[in-house]
Amino acid sequence: AQSVTQLGSHVSVSEGALVLLRCNYSSSVPPYLFWYVQYPNQGLQLLLKYTSAATLVKGINGFEAEFKKSETSFHLTKPSAHMSDAAEYFCAVSEANTGNQFYFGTGTSLTVIP
Amino acid sequence: NAGVMQNPRHLVRRRGQEARLRCSPMKGHSHVYWYRQLPEEGLKFMVYLQKENIIDESGMPKERFSAEFPKEGPSILRIQQVVRGDSAAYFCASSLKRGETQYFGPGTRLLVL
Repeated sequence: AQSVTQLGSHVSVSEGALVLLRCNYSSSVPPYLFWYVQYPNQGLQLLLKYTSAATLVKGINGFEAEFKKSETSFHLTKPSAHMSDAAEYFCAVSEANTGNQFYFGTGTSLTVIP
Repeated sequence: NAGVMQNPRHLVRRRGQEARLRCSPMKGHSHVYWYRQLPEEGLKFMVYLQKENIIDESGMPKERFSAEFPKEGPSILRIQQVVRGDSAAYFCASSLKRGETQYFGPGTRLLVL
């Protein structure tokens, strides 16, 4: 079975500061891992994904994430926060190639302080 | 290339009425997934369909909820005799192949009065 834990339901950073959103997963099979962003009253937009290629994955809007198998983590980072990054971020895991569903974390709300 | 389309975007129903939510997947995608998002929570899987077939409905409530994905037309999530607890955002996603990246629609926000 798969599951995702996102530590910190709310994260606040100053504009220009490092963004770090944490995601730990459990999976009994090789996973695919995803980060999505959700703006208010909108759907989920794919930020980036890990599908067993390079462990450091670069996504849109300057975000990146590193897959660390030994730590079962897939933390999301961005060197310098922008006001437009304020949103809800969800980490998700699925079984590589065979998954019927994505398992989502409960989300992290990012606030960017001017 | 149009993304996943969902309609209506907002739906208001009174208790006991029926709600029908529609989802048109991305062009070329034949795998459709429905998720429900309650306030302050993540998305919970409901059902996975491939054209004309329900592959996995392990997340669907046993009563009042049904889903279909006919050969022609959009996928439909149907909720009969809605109750206030059904109020939520319902998201549809589609993928090109099973297990691959899912692309999400804008959601339907259901409010049951």
